[in-house]
Amino acid sequence: GNSVTQMEGPVTLSEEAFLTINCTYTATGYPSLFWYVQYPGEGLQLLLKATMADDKGSNKGFEATYRKETTSFHLEKGSVQVSDSAVYFCALSDWDQGGKLIFGQGTELSVKP
Amino acid sequence: NAGVTQTPKFQVLKTGQSMTLQCAQDMNHEYMSWYRQDPGMGLRLIHYSVGAGITDQGEVPNGYNVSRSTTEDFPLRLLSAAPSQTSVYFCASSLASGNTIYFGEGSWLTVV
Repeated sequence: GNSVTQMEGPVTLSEEAFLTINCTYTATGYPSLFWYVQYPGEGLQLLLKATMADDKGSNKGFEATYRKETTSFHLEKGSVQVSDSAVYFCALSDWDQGGKLIFGQGTELSVKP
Repeated sequence: NAGVTQTPKFQVLKTGQSMTLQCAQDMNHEYMSWYRQDPGMGLRLIHYSVGAGITDQGEVPNGYNVSRSTTEDFPLRLLSAAPSQTSVYFCASSLASGNTIYFGEGSWLTVV
């Protein structure tokens, strides 16, 4: 079945450091890929998405490229801020599965000043 | 914009009690779903609906019941609460398959 695997956290970085959170997926069809962010005590917010191979999603300085050949969708940001501290979830949605989301386990990011 | 609204935000239940988590969306979305979030396990799908009158099971449906009598509402019922159902529950909706999914703010449930 479809699945998503993320790098384990927590990830601790200093402000202005470069961020990479790895995400790989297994899917039988042609899924859409998403990154969601959850700030402490809040629900999930869509951060970015990509719907086909080689698409690059971007938002708030974060980027991720849909790599079909490596089945990956790694999240990157060039210079993190303290306000980026949150839990990040990679997810896929298979058009043939009613649009349901399958999530990775989440990666906690802590950015220190 | 109301978006996806969940109630209650916090609830403590005793083992064996029943309750309903409410979910409503005002975006005329056809797709609605319920997830639970547990530490180290991400979010797992409980039940989902692709339209009024249609529901189906997700990954972890046992102990939960849903109905979809209107497009706007998708309540989740716990029939006889168990400590294993202590979790954070999220309702979500989307316009159609493959579209962006919007989440409610979550309901923190503790079963003692």
